[in-house]
Amino acid sequence: GAVVSQHPSWVICKSGTSVKIECRSLDFQATTMFWYRQFPKQSLMLMATSNEGSKATYEQGVEKDKFLINHASLTLSTLTVTSAHPEDSSFYICSARETGESYEQYFGPGTRLTVT
Amino acid sequence: DAKTTQPPSMDCAEGRAANLPCNHSTISGNEYVYWYRQIHSQGPQYIIHGLKNNETNEMASLIITEDRKSSTLILPHATLRDTAVYYCIVSTGANSKLTFGKGITLSVRP
Repeated sequence: GAVVSQHPSWVICKSGTSVKIECRSLDFQATTMFWYRQFPKQSLMLMATSNEGSKATYEQGVEKDKFLINHASLTLSTLTVTSAHPEDSSFYICSARETGESYEQYFGPGTRLTVT
Repeated sequence: DAKTTQPPSMDCAEGRAANLPCNHSTISGNEYVYWYRQIHSQGPQYIIHGLKNNETNEMASLIITEDRKSSTLILPHATLRDTAVYYCIVSTGANSKLTFGKGITLSVRP
């Protein structure tokens, strides 16, 4: 149980285009989901906290108009990278916390974004 | 959330116990100690967490000192598949975010 999926697993896009990444909790409901970004040889950095039915909370320095987050249901959150640039190339990882449970976050397998 | 300090790397022989240390001297009374690991190019995997008492599950054991200022993750019989970056994180747990440090790279050698 407690499986989180991400789609796509990798994507290549051209500079200036937008890319949507989906994060799904497959066998549990998640009121809260988190989006992280990881550059090569670095640790995960939290970008935003996504709550079902409300606006996401962004970490300092993360542009909310560039990284659009939608958490429309208890099993799906999406991250849209708008007007992508090469510096947005990174490994994007989501995690989900099961509704009613407080302790564990379950992570997705990640999405590798390359902007050319 | 309190900050953690981990050595950058360590290695151990396959089949032996791997003891991964973590310092969290500024931990608060309501903060848990979490351990996650990340195998190359994958999402992190939850291992274990604890508050005061030592904990054990099918993956590992977590030993927390009495003053809670440090802890040790023990993989009792390390395998090559345990080679990963291990993150020690302190967090209140209840809907709070996880702040990842640099972690410790564990290399299990044949």
